[in-house]
Amino acid sequence: SAVISQKPSRDICQRGTSLTIQCQVDSQVTMMFWYRQQPGQSLTLIATANQGSEATYESGFVIDKFPISRPNLTFSTLTVSNMSPEDSSIYLCSVPGVNTGELFFGEGSRLTVL
Amino acid sequence: RKEVEQDPGPFNVPEGATVAFNCTYSNSASQSFFWYRQDCRKEPKLLMSVYSSGNEDGRFTAQLNRASQYISLLIRDSKLSDSATYLCAVRVEGDMRFGAGTRLTVKP
Repeated sequence: SAVISQKPSRDICQRGTSLTIQCQVDSQVTMMFWYRQQPGQSLTLIATANQGSEATYESGFVIDKFPISRPNLTFSTLTVSNMSPEDSSIYLCSVPGVNTGELFFGEGSRLTVL
Repeated sequence: RKEVEQDPGPFNVPEGATVAFNCTYSNSASQSFFWYRQDCRKEPKLLMSVYSSGNEDGRFTAQLNRASQYISLLIRDSKLSDSATYLCAVRVEGDMRFGAGTRLTVKP
């Protein structure tokens, strides 16, 4: 499986500010995914980060709130903009495996918004 | 109805017990199925894929019932280290959908 590094691993932010989360993979991957996991909840797909084109967002998520960059096949960023306490969550990047469609996850970025 | 549903638990079992989790999915076009393990404050980690014929990995057995649209995970001879949240995941047309997880605590 790929080695996926995320940073920051955690942060405490003030309401109204923005935070950019980075995801680095040790191999080239066509697609990278950003998930959110709110406390006690399951993982919810935010968007698919495509290299060379705009990210594809899921229903309920918009580019203005969660801008994504994908400058190359090993790196992506997710920005959480104009944060509110409701954005407090774990944000995870993931990449597909090579076998039967499984996903592998980075360690996650735990965000707390005050 | 949620796309993927699991009993949230918690399941509290003694060491050595056998415990089973079920997960139902709503989309009959679902293509592939997985169980993940998530420890507290950690990322989900792939436990095993679930194959149509069922599959076993040591103490863990996964089964798929397409007709009834559910997958199951059986853990035999539970260890303290099995304590975690178990997430089922279903791939539908390229997207992976996750259940909310079933929390397991194995006690001495």
